[in-house]
Amino acid sequence: DAGVTQSPTHLIKTRGQQVTLRCSPKSGHDTVSWYQQALGQGPQFIFQYYEEEERQRGNFPDRFSGHQFPNYSSELNVNALLLGDSALYLCASTIVRGPFSTQYFGPGTRLLVL
Amino acid sequence: GNSVTQMEGPVTLSEEAFLTINCTYTATGYPSLFWYVQYPGEGLQLLLKATKADDKGSNKGFEATYRKETTSFHLEKGSVQVSDSAVYFCALSAPNRDDKIIFGKGTRLHILP
Repeated sequence: DAGVTQSPTHLIKTRGQQVTLRCSPKSGHDTVSWYQQALGQGPQFIFQYYEEEERQRGNFPDRFSGHQFPNYSSELNVNALLLGDSALYLCASTIVRGPFSTQYFGPGTRLLVL
Repeated sequence: GNSVTQMEGPVTLSEEAFLTINCTYTATGYPSLFWYVQYPGEGLQLLLKATKADDKGSNKGFEATYRKETTSFHLEKGSVQVSDSAVYFCALSAPNRDDKIIFGKGTRLHILP
C-alpha cells in the first residue's frame, strides 16, 4: 500500500517565478492538506482540499493556490515567489470518517528560492 | 485560538537515558493530540496519538498520556537509543471535520552513544 507521495523532491527557483508541487494521497484517502515548514520551525497549515474544493485555509496570501483532481491527487501553486517561500512543503492525506481521523504525511518537497 | 507549546531544544542525552519532552496545549473542547517525529532529511511520521482525556498513546517504546486537567501531553521513553535522534513535534487537531493540525515548534533530540 503506497503512502503519500510528493514530487519533485527538491526544487530551485528564482524570485518572481511560479512553482507547482504535486501530491498523491494514500490509497483510499479523499482529503489532502498542505503545510509549509520553514527551517527550524513546525509545519504551518496552508489549506485543505476535499471533493475538489478548498475547504479550509490558513493564514497564507492568495499567491498560494491549489487544486484537487477527481482521483484525489492535489497540486500546490505558488506565484510570484519570494525568498521567504523557501521551505519544506508537506502534503498530508486523510479520510474523514467521524471526529478522529489521522493525517499521514508525505516526504515533502524542499523548495529553495534564490 | 488553539496552540501548542513544547520545550525548546536541543535535548542531548546519553544512550539508555530516560527521556521526557514536555508539551502543553491550549484548545477549546477536546482536541486530539499527537506526537510526530521527523528524522533528518525526511517528512513527518506519526509516532503516537490520543483522542480523549486519560488516553495513553504508545509506540516504539514512547508513551504520552492525555491530561485534560493540566492540558499536557508529555512524551516519555524509558531508554533512548541513538536511532531516536530526530526532531519531535507535539500537535493537536480539533474534533471536527476540519482536521487542521496545529504543531509546536519542535524539539531536536540528540542521543550520544
